[in-house]
Amino acid sequence: EAGVVQSPRYKIIEKKQPVAFWCNPISGHNTLYWYLQNLGQGPELLIRYENEEAVDDSQLPKDRFSAERLKGVDSTLKIQPAELGDSAVYLCASSRDRTDTQYFGPGTRLTVL
Amino acid sequence: KQEVTQIPAALSVPEGENLVLNCSFTDSAIYNLQWFRQDPGKGLTSLLLIQSSQREQTSGRLNASLDKSSGRSTLYIAASQPGDSATYLCAVEGGQGGSEKLVFGKGMKLTVNP
Repeated sequence: EAGVVQSPRYKIIEKKQPVAFWCNPISGHNTLYWYLQNLGQGPELLIRYENEEAVDDSQLPKDRFSAERLKGVDSTLKIQPAELGDSAVYLCASSRDRTDTQYFGPGTRLTVL
Repeated sequence: KQEVTQIPAALSVPEGENLVLNCSFTDSAIYNLQWFRQDPGKGLTSLLLIQSSQREQTSGRLNASLDKSSGRSTLYIAASQPGDSATYLCAVEGGQGGSEKLVFGKGMKLTVNP
């Protein structure tokens, strides 16, 4: 069974530029999560999807961050414009449903210069 | 607001030692607690999940216990091996208000020396 796929693995951009991350969850997993992990910290939830519906986006900075999960499968997370403080690892995870174990992708390491 | 603490932040031990990793949380009204492993440059792998009604879970050389009333969990690693070197994170779901998201600790970086 293929795991959670994320791309790109690494991204370096200059501040004020836009950036997008892509996630393909495990087949059949209805719940999808985006997390932010700063260096030396645990992941923090940005948004959770149940199928194509965002059911918890309270931690997503909506002035610059947006996310979508069209057709309830793949998802993209976008930042526009990026700031220096956005440098971090962005993790995607999926699970069969909200109560099931979450499986994490390898993450996208973003560096904003 | 739920807070999860893991102390120490790092641990270095010789191969073969039995280890105890500690995790504490401030709000005992949790649904479950999980232990994850994270290798450098990789995502997290779930090791053990303990439901709030359970006291412990075991998988191979790993044993995790949960004491909800005191807000503590321990992860026991028997006969540690160099391959156990990684960062171990504790996470809880739930708390006052019925939060449905995982709250993570900062993790503990374990190094097992051959």
